[in-house]
Amino acid sequence: EIVLTQSPDFQSVTPKEKVTITCRASQSIGGNLHWYQQKSAQSPKLLIKYASQSISGVPSRFSGSGSGTDFTLTINSLEAEDAATYYCHQSSGLPRTFGQGTKVEIK
Amino acid sequence: EVQVVESGGGLVQPGRSLRLSCTVSGFTLGDYGLSWVRQAPGKGLEWVGFITSKTYGGTTEYAASVKGRFTISRDDSKNIAYLQMNSLKTEDTAVYYCTRGCSGGACYAYWGQGTLVTVSS
Repeated sequence: EIVLTQSPDFQSVTPKEKVTITCRASQSIGGNLHWYQQKSAQSPKLLIKYASQSISGVPSRFSGSGSGTDFTLTINSLEAEDAATYYCHQSSGLPRTFGQGTKVEIK
Repeated sequence: EVQVVESGGGLVQPGRSLRLSCTVSGFTLGDYGLSWVRQAPGKGLEWVGFITSKTYGGTTEYAASVKGRFTISRDDSKNIAYLQMNSLKTEDTAVYYCTRGCSGGACYAYWGQGTLVTVSS
Protein backbone atom coordinates (compact mmCIF):
# COMPACT_ATOMS: atom_id res chain seq x y z
CA GLU A 1 0.00 0.00 0.00
CA ILE A 2 1.22 3.48 -0.88
CA VAL A 3 1.19 5.67 2.21
CA LEU A 4 0.73 9.41 1.77
CA THR A 5 2.01 11.61 4.57
CA GLN A 6 0.95 15.24 4.66
CA SER A 7 2.61 18.03 6.59
CA PRO A 8 1.73 19.93 8.55
CA ASP A 9 -1.38 18.42 10.14
CA PHE A 10 -2.63 21.86 11.09
CA GLN A 11 -1.80 25.38 10.07
CA SER A 12 -3.16 28.68 11.38
CA VAL A 13 -2.67 31.41 8.80
CA THR A 14 -3.56 35.08 8.41
CA PRO A 15 -5.35 36.25 5.26
CA LYS A 16 -3.09 37.07 2.29
CA GLU A 17 -0.37 34.77 3.59
CA LYS A 18 1.04 32.02 1.41
CA VAL A 19 0.26 28.45 2.45
CA THR A 20 2.32 25.42 1.50
CA ILE A 21 1.16 21.87 2.18
CA THR A 22 3.36 18.93 1.32
CA CYS A 23 2.44 15.33 0.57
CA ARG A 24 5.09 12.62 0.57
CA ALA A 25 4.45 9.20 -0.93
CA SER A 26 6.05 6.05 0.43
CA GLN A 27 7.08 5.09 -3.11
CA SER A 28 7.23 6.80 -6.46
CA ILE A 29 3.81 7.55 -7.92
CA GLY A 30 4.90 9.60 -10.93
CA GLY A 31 2.43 12.44 -11.29
CA ASN A 32 -0.62 10.48 -10.15
CA LEU A 33 -1.40 12.78 -7.24
CA HIS A 34 -4.53 14.86 -6.74
CA TRP A 35 -5.58 17.47 -4.19
CA TYR A 36 -9.01 18.02 -2.64
CA GLN A 37 -10.48 20.67 -0.39
CA GLN A 38 -13.13 19.82 2.17
CA LYS A 39 -14.87 22.62 3.99
CA SER A 40 -16.76 22.01 7.20
CA ALA A 41 -19.85 19.84 6.69
CA GLN A 42 -19.32 19.73 2.93
CA SER A 43 -18.21 17.13 0.42
CA PRO A 44 -14.63 17.22 -0.85
CA LYS A 45 -13.90 19.21 -3.99
CA LEU A 46 -11.18 18.54 -6.55
CA LEU A 47 -8.61 21.35 -6.60
CA ILE A 48 -5.65 20.03 -8.60
CA LYS A 49 -5.30 16.87 -10.65
CA TYR A 50 -2.17 15.00 -11.70
CA ALA A 51 0.08 17.01 -9.44
CA SER A 52 -0.12 20.32 -11.26
CA GLN A 53 -3.10 20.44 -13.60
CA SER A 54 -5.60 23.13 -12.79
CA ILE A 55 -9.33 22.54 -12.54
CA SER A 56 -11.92 24.75 -14.18
CA GLY A 57 -13.59 27.01 -11.66
CA VAL A 58 -10.88 26.68 -9.02
CA PRO A 59 -9.26 30.03 -8.16
CA SER A 60 -5.83 30.56 -9.66
CA ARG A 61 -4.28 31.08 -6.22
CA PHE A 62 -4.29 27.27 -5.87
CA SER A 63 -1.41 25.49 -7.55
CA GLY A 64 0.35 22.17 -7.32
CA SER A 65 3.78 20.84 -8.08
CA GLY A 66 5.95 17.79 -7.67
CA SER A 67 6.49 14.31 -9.03
CA GLY A 68 7.74 10.97 -7.83
CA THR A 69 7.40 11.04 -4.06
CA ASP A 70 7.22 14.73 -3.11
CA PHE A 71 4.33 17.01 -3.88
CA THR A 72 3.22 20.48 -2.84
CA LEU A 73 -0.07 22.33 -2.78
CA THR A 74 0.38 26.09 -2.63
CA ILE A 75 -2.28 28.65 -1.82
CA ASN A 76 -1.10 32.11 -2.75
CA SER A 77 -2.63 34.98 -0.83
CA LEU A 78 -4.96 32.98 1.40
CA GLU A 79 -8.56 34.12 1.66
CA ALA A 80 -11.00 33.55 4.51
CA GLU A 81 -13.04 31.17 2.37
CA ASP A 82 -10.02 28.85 2.09
CA ALA A 83 -10.49 27.60 5.66
CA ALA A 84 -10.78 23.86 5.12
CA THR A 85 -9.06 20.51 5.36
CA TYR A 86 -6.91 19.58 2.37
CA TYR A 87 -6.23 16.02 1.27
CA CYS A 88 -3.86 14.51 -1.24
CA HIS A 89 -4.84 11.30 -3.04
CA GLN A 90 -2.86 8.90 -5.21
CA SER A 91 -4.17 6.96 -8.19
CA SER A 92 -0.92 5.21 -9.07
CA GLY A 93 -1.60 1.94 -7.31
CA LEU A 94 -4.12 -0.15 -5.45
CA PRO A 95 -5.49 0.43 -2.97
CA ARG A 96 -6.09 4.09 -3.69
CA THR A 97 -5.04 6.08 -0.67
CA PHE A 98 -5.43 9.54 0.82
CA GLY A 99 -3.19 11.60 3.02
CA GLN A 100 -4.36 12.16 6.57
CA GLY A 101 -5.41 15.73 5.81
CA THR A 102 -4.12 19.20 6.64
CA LYS A 103 -6.47 21.56 8.41
CA VAL A 104 -6.01 25.22 7.53
CA GLU A 105 -7.46 27.71 9.96
CA ILE A 106 -7.77 31.43 9.40
CA LYS A 107 -6.36 33.57 12.20
CA GLU B 1 -25.10 19.84 -15.10
CA VAL B 2 -23.46 16.85 -13.48
CA GLN B 3 -25.19 15.63 -10.34
CA VAL B 4 -24.35 12.75 -8.03
CA VAL B 5 -26.81 11.86 -5.29
CA GLU B 6 -26.37 9.12 -2.72
CA SER B 7 -29.22 7.53 -0.80
CA GLY B 8 -29.96 4.53 1.36
CA GLY B 9 -27.99 5.30 4.48
CA GLY B 10 -29.32 4.78 7.96
CA LEU B 11 -28.95 2.89 11.21
CA VAL B 12 -28.25 -0.82 10.91
CA GLN B 13 -27.24 -3.51 13.37
CA PRO B 14 -23.86 -5.22 13.18
CA GLY B 15 -23.91 -8.21 10.88
CA ARG B 16 -26.80 -6.91 8.81
CA SER B 17 -26.80 -5.61 5.23
CA LEU B 18 -27.52 -2.29 3.58
CA ARG B 19 -27.51 -1.12 -0.03
CA LEU B 20 -26.56 2.40 -0.97
CA SER B 21 -27.60 3.94 -4.26
CA CYS B 22 -25.83 6.57 -6.31
CA THR B 23 -28.11 8.28 -8.80
CA VAL B 24 -26.37 10.37 -11.42
CA SER B 25 -27.46 12.84 -14.06
CA GLY B 26 -25.80 15.09 -16.58
CA PHE B 27 -23.60 12.34 -17.99
CA THR B 28 -23.76 8.71 -19.09
CA LEU B 29 -22.87 6.53 -16.14
CA GLY B 30 -21.24 3.80 -18.19
CA ASP B 31 -18.76 6.23 -19.72
CA TYR B 32 -17.02 6.93 -16.42
CA GLY B 33 -15.43 5.14 -13.54
CA LEU B 34 -17.26 5.50 -10.28
CA SER B 35 -15.77 5.20 -6.81
CA TRP B 36 -17.02 5.07 -3.26
CA VAL B 37 -15.11 6.93 -0.55
CA ARG B 38 -16.06 6.99 3.12
CA GLN B 39 -15.33 9.22 6.06
CA ALA B 40 -15.78 8.05 9.63
CA PRO B 41 -16.98 10.73 12.06
CA GLY B 42 -14.19 13.25 12.64
CA LYS B 43 -11.74 11.28 10.52
CA GLY B 44 -10.14 11.51 7.10
CA LEU B 45 -11.11 10.08 3.74
CA GLU B 46 -10.89 6.35 3.04
CA TRP B 47 -11.20 4.76 -0.38
CA VAL B 48 -13.75 1.93 -0.44
CA GLY B 49 -13.64 0.75 -4.04
CA PHE B 50 -14.43 1.49 -7.65
CA ILE B 51 -16.08 0.19 -10.78
CA THR B 52 -14.48 1.05 -14.09
CA SER B 53 -16.24 2.41 -17.15
CA LYS B 54 -17.68 0.16 -19.84
CA THR B 55 -14.58 0.82 -21.89
CA TYR B 56 -12.53 -0.87 -19.18
CA GLY B 57 -14.97 -3.69 -18.70
CA GLY B 58 -16.77 -2.51 -15.59
CA THR B 59 -14.23 -4.23 -13.37
CA THR B 60 -14.24 -3.65 -9.63
CA GLU B 61 -11.58 -3.24 -6.96
CA TYR B 62 -11.98 -2.91 -3.21
CA ALA B 63 -10.12 -1.86 -0.12
CA ALA B 64 -8.91 -4.75 1.99
CA SER B 65 -11.16 -3.65 4.85
CA VAL B 66 -14.32 -4.28 2.81
CA LYS B 67 -13.26 -6.91 0.28
CA GLY B 68 -15.59 -9.90 0.37
CA ARG B 69 -18.27 -7.92 2.20
CA PHE B 70 -18.99 -4.98 -0.13
CA THR B 71 -19.96 -5.11 -3.79
CA ILE B 72 -20.15 -2.26 -6.27
CA SER B 73 -22.45 -2.59 -9.27
CA ARG B 74 -24.01 -0.37 -11.85
CA ASP B 75 -27.26 -0.23 -13.82
CA ASP B 76 -26.41 1.95 -16.78
CA SER B 77 -29.99 1.92 -18.07
CA LYS B 78 -31.14 3.61 -14.87
CA ASN B 79 -28.01 5.73 -14.33
CA ILE B 80 -27.68 4.28 -10.85
CA ALA B 81 -24.72 2.67 -9.13
CA TYR B 82 -24.92 0.62 -5.97
CA LEU B 83 -22.82 -0.25 -2.98
CA GLN B 84 -24.06 -3.46 -1.42
CA MET B 85 -22.72 -3.76 2.11
CA ASN B 86 -22.99 -7.10 3.89
CA SER B 87 -21.81 -8.30 7.29
CA LEU B 88 -21.56 -4.73 8.50
CA LYS B 89 -19.28 -3.89 11.38
CA THR B 90 -19.32 -0.97 13.78
CA GLU B 91 -16.14 0.30 12.11
CA ASP B 92 -18.07 0.73 8.85
CA THR B 93 -19.88 3.68 10.42
CA ALA B 94 -19.17 6.63 8.14
CA VAL B 95 -20.48 9.06 5.60
CA TYR B 96 -20.30 7.32 2.24
CA TYR B 97 -19.57 9.41 -0.82
CA CYS B 98 -20.12 8.41 -4.41
CA THR B 99 -17.66 10.03 -6.81
CA ARG B 100 -17.41 10.25 -10.57
CA GLY B 101 -14.01 9.96 -12.13
CA CYS B 102 -12.32 12.69 -14.10
CA SER B 103 -12.60 12.57 -17.88
CA GLY B 104 -9.93 10.11 -18.93
CA GLY B 105 -8.44 10.11 -15.47
CA ALA B 106 -8.51 8.55 -12.04
CA CYS B 107 -9.14 11.63 -9.95
CA TYR B 108 -12.58 12.30 -8.48
CA ALA B 109 -14.17 15.17 -10.34
CA TYR B 110 -17.64 15.08 -8.81
CA TRP B 111 -18.79 14.09 -5.36
CA GLY B 112 -22.24 13.52 -3.96
CA GLN B 113 -23.38 15.03 -0.69
CA GLY B 114 -22.80 11.75 1.12
CA THR B 115 -25.08 9.43 3.04
CA LEU B 116 -24.51 8.46 6.66
CA VAL B 117 -24.34 4.80 7.61
CA THR B 118 -24.39 4.04 11.32
CA VAL B 119 -23.69 0.49 12.40
CA SER B 120 -24.74 0.00 15.98
CA SER B 121 -26.76 -2.35 18.15
